[in-house]
Amino acid sequence: AQKITQTQPGMFVQEKEAVTLDCTYDTSDQSYGLFWYKQPSSGEMIFLIYQGSYDEQNATEGRYSLNFQKARKSANLVISASQLGDSAMYFCAMRGHTGGFKTIFGAGTRLFVKA
Amino acid sequence: DAGVTQSPTHLIKTRGQQVTLRCSPKSGHDTVSWYQQALGQGPQFIFQYYEEEERQRGNFPDRFSGHQFPNYSSELNVNALLLGDSALYLCASSAGTLNTGELFFGEGSRLTVL
Repeated sequence: AQKITQTQPGMFVQEKEAVTLDCTYDTSDQSYGLFWYKQPSSGEMIFLIYQGSYDEQNATEGRYSLNFQKARKSANLVISASQLGDSAMYFCAMRGHTGGFKTIFGAGTRLFVKA
Repeated sequence: DAGVTQSPTHLIKTRGQQVTLRCSPKSGHDTVSWYQQALGQGPQFIFQYYEEEERQRGNFPDRFSGHQFPNYSSELNVNALLLGDSALYLCASSAGTLNTGELFFGEGSRLTVL
């Protein structure tokens, strides 16, 4: 079975500093995709970044980067130069062959950015 | 380019009633997935529709049913509502193949069951 684990219910970071949100996953698939989404208080889930299991380079999208360690089955999200608008829930997600067409999500981490 | 739109945004029902939630996918997307998100939790997969058929289903009872129309829009129906059905219901559309292609979400329909 596939599973996503996010062990940090809440995180605080000072504005302009970097923060790492942890994500570990469990799958027996060789081919899978890993995603991070942001959910502001409005409720809409916003896609941030994608990492394929065969990608050798860590994915980056602007201030977001994904620290992909395949052997450890971890896919941590790094946000650089945090902004007040980064305060939100962050979800790690995965889609793989075993799970069929569905994307599964972790429980999320709430990030608070302090001024 | 319109994104994913959902309606209604908020609704209140009583136990035993039935509810229908609606979703229009992002332009060019042919696949719609529905998720239930209880307060403080991650989204849970309900089912996915593709080519007007339910392609995959999560661990939800038969009280949860859906439909996809020829224009790719979709409905989620929940019968015999329970208090535990209170949640944010998210619709997501996609056009990617397996493993690749992110989901595009609407703002959700927040259902309260009294």
